[in-house]
Formats: sequence, structure tokens, C-alpha cells
Amino acid sequence: DVKVTQSSRYLVKRTGEKVFLECVQDMDHENMFWYRQDPGLGLRLIYFSYDVKMKEKGDIPEGYSVSREKKERFSLILESASTNQTSMYLCASSMGGPYNEQFFGPGTRLTVL
Amino acid sequence: AQTVTQSQPEMSVQEAETVTLSCTYDTSESDYYLFWYKQPPSRQMILVIRQEAYKQQNATENRFSVNFQKAAKSFSLKISDSQLGDAAMYFCAYRSALNAGNMLTFGGGTRLMVKP
Repeated sequence: DVKVTQSSRYLVKRTGEKVFLECVQDMDHENMFWYRQDPGLGLRLIYFSYDVKMKEKGDIPEGYSVSREKKERFSLILESASTNQTSMYLCASSMGGPYNEQFFGPGTRLTVL
Repeated sequence: AQTVTQSQPEMSVQEAETVTLSCTYDTSESDYYLFWYKQPPSRQMILVIRQEAYKQQNATENRFSVNFQKAAKSFSLKISDSQLGDAAMYFCAYRSALNAGNMLTFGGGTRLMVKP
């Protein structure tokens, strides 16, 4: 089975802190994604990566950056956390091809105080 | 840009009965893919069912089936013989066939409650 893991289930940070969210997948998937989930808004794509060191902006990249140094690992970085970044963050991975499903991690609930 | 709308924030169904979750989308493309994902409470999101737009036949996976109306841009999910384990958030998602990055556009979700 595909496994996507995220470094933390719950995280509490202070405004202005630098925050790292880590995601690891074990199925050699080319594509990896970071989403933000907010009530009523569904999931919104922050960034995705289709290869090592490659990244593309999604719908809401402002205030975020990403890093993919190894194929299995995709990191989301909040350079200076703000209260409006309090949310659930979901990582996903998939093989190439538009019909392939995305496999999701358990999510990290981030609270910025 | 494509948009996906789920007009029912919450639905409830009696155990063993049938429920239909609605999803509409807006696109100018003719080739695309549609998905329903399920997110159980405190558990990981999983794929329920998917449909290729060029296929007229509605997809079916056990108790889950879709009603795909391409002209109406509608993609509803029908759950038959509802079970307590079906209680979850359900998300409809769209993916363009032209999208090299396999990005999904999600609807806002429908929370399904199943009454015993």
C-alpha cells in the first residue's frame, strides 16, 4: 500500500516563526502536492512538484515556499507564520498521468498564535 | 479557471438507505477527469470513485456510483445501502486532461452523517 506520512499531526507556532512541514511518500511517485483545507473552501493547492528540485505554484502560494531535494520528500515552509495560516495542511502524492489517484497523508493541523 | 461546487454542506441519511451528493463544475474543456474523495473523521482522505469525461457510462464501485451528465456539467455521487462507516466529508474534484501536473480542483465538501 502507498503510504504518505507527515511529520506532525498537530503543531502550534507563534506569529513570525519559521515553520517546516515535512511529507514523505514511499511509492516512488513523481508528483507531490501541498494543500490547505479550510471549512467550506475544500482543499486548495499551495504548491506541487513533478520532479526533484522542480516546483510549480498552485492557487494560493503566497506566504509559502517548498523544497524537494529527494524524490520521496516534499517540504512546505512558512517563512514567517501568520495567524491567517492557521489551517489543516494535507500532503499528497501520485504517479504521473491525469487519471491516477492522489494518495493523501493524515494532515497537519497548524495553529498560529 | 475551473471551479467545482458542492451545494450541500451537510447531508444525512438513515442507515441502509440511499443518498445522493451533488457536484457541479464549470469548465470550457472537453477532456477531463472527475473524482470523489472521502475523508473520514480523523482519517486520511481516500479515493472513492473516478470518471473519465469521454466515457458515457457511469462509473460504479460496489455501493458507490456516479451520475455523470456532461452537458449539464454535473457529477453526483450515489451511495446505496448506507453504512455507519460512510459517515465522512466527501469532496468532488476536477482534473484537466491538459494538466501536466495532475492538479486537482476541489469543491467545498459535503459532510455526510449516517443515522443508525
